This record gives sequence, structure tokens and C-alpha cells, in this order.
Amino acid sequence: GAVVSQHPSWVICKSGTSVKIECRSLDFQATTMFWYRQFPKQSLMLMATSNEGSKATYEQGVEKDKFLINHASLTLSTLTVTSAHPEDSSFYICSAPQSTETGYTFGSGTRLTVV
Amino acid sequence: GENVEQHPSTLSVQEGDSAVIKCTYSDSASNYFPWYKQELGKRPQLIIDIRSNVGEKKDQRIAVTLNKTAKHFSLHITETQPEDSAVYFCAARRGGKLIFGQGTELSVKP
Repeated sequence: GAVVSQHPSWVICKSGTSVKIECRSLDFQATTMFWYRQFPKQSLMLMATSNEGSKATYEQGVEKDKFLINHASLTLSTLTVTSAHPEDSSFYICSAPQSTETGYTFGSGTRLTVV
Repeated sequence: GENVEQHPSTLSVQEGDSAVIKCTYSDSASNYFPWYKQELGKRPQLIIDIRSNVGEKKDQRIAVTLNKTAKHFSLHITETQPEDSAVYFCAARRGGKLIFGQGTELSVKP
């Protein structure tokens, strides 16, 4: 079946540094990738939608200059958390719609801890 | 945009009992409603889904019902087992985007 590989699975970084998270579709072309953030014991909150070859669209309240999304190819979407702060510590997960009319493939998630 | 409300936030049942989780959505144009099970630190796993042109769908112990008029859909788990314990999320799709409910922590006591 469709697989989205997400890396890293966990990362610890210092305040003020940037962290890049990659989501790669292994056996299908993901023209669209959704990025979610999930705080402990909370729901998955949609942050932004990336589309191959065009600018990402961000949900209301999400800082586009802080969460840089790039979708440079049909198999790779990246999320860069710039100037990370402890409040950015969260579980970040990507999701790509499958070629069928329904269904989404999720990455395995990235646990980001900013110290 | 779409807004999905999910209840209850926690649910505790005895093994063998049934569990019901309910969701409402706001956008009548939403056309796909999946349910996910998520274990701590893991990706959500699809357990069942339903499209807007169907009223009910069943897969062994799991069923989902959809009431488009009321903009309401529910997850039913029968004969619950301890391994059903997890957090369950409903979601609604509008314009390709999946919007999630707040989640229900289900605990099945042996």
C-alpha cells in the first residue's frame, strides 16, 4: 500500500535553532501534503497544505514565516520550524491523500522537543 | 471552514460492552467521514470510514452511521476488548482537507 516515510521520528533542539522535517512518498506521487501538529492529549490540528510546485496554504493563525513548507517534488514535502521555542514542542505529522477517491496516508510523526 | 465536535472526551466501558462515540460537523459540503484509532506517539490508523452517500457501514465489530440532515455521525464498537483501548478521532473532509474532532479516550476494563 501507499507509504509516507517521515524523518526524523524524534528531535531535540535548542531554542532559536531551526529543524527540518521530511515526508517522502515512497510508492506514489504525492502532489498534496497536509501538515498537522498535535499537542499532548489533544487533536490533530491542520497547519498547512503543501502542493507540489506552488506555495503552501496556511490555516488561520499559523505563522507562515515560522513554519516554512516546501514541496519541491512529487515525492518530497518538508516542514522547517524556524527559530524554534519551547512552545513549538509538539508531535508533527504529515498526511497525503491517496490516489483513490478516499483515504489518506499518514507519516509516522516527528516528536519535536525544544529546550 | 469545517468544525468537528466529538463527544465524549473519555469513555470507560467493561469488556464485552458496546461503546458509542458521536461527532457533529458544521459544513454540509463535507463528503467523507473517517474514524481513526491512535496509540500514544503513533500515527492515526483508519478503522472505518463512510462517504456522504451512505447511511451506515459495518466491519465486524465496528460500525459507523451518518445522518446528513443532522450533520451527525457515530462510531459503534460492539463486544469491546481491552485492546480496543486507545484514543479515537473522527474527521470530516471538506475540499480535500481532513478536519479532526477533539478525540475520545476509550478505556475497556477487563
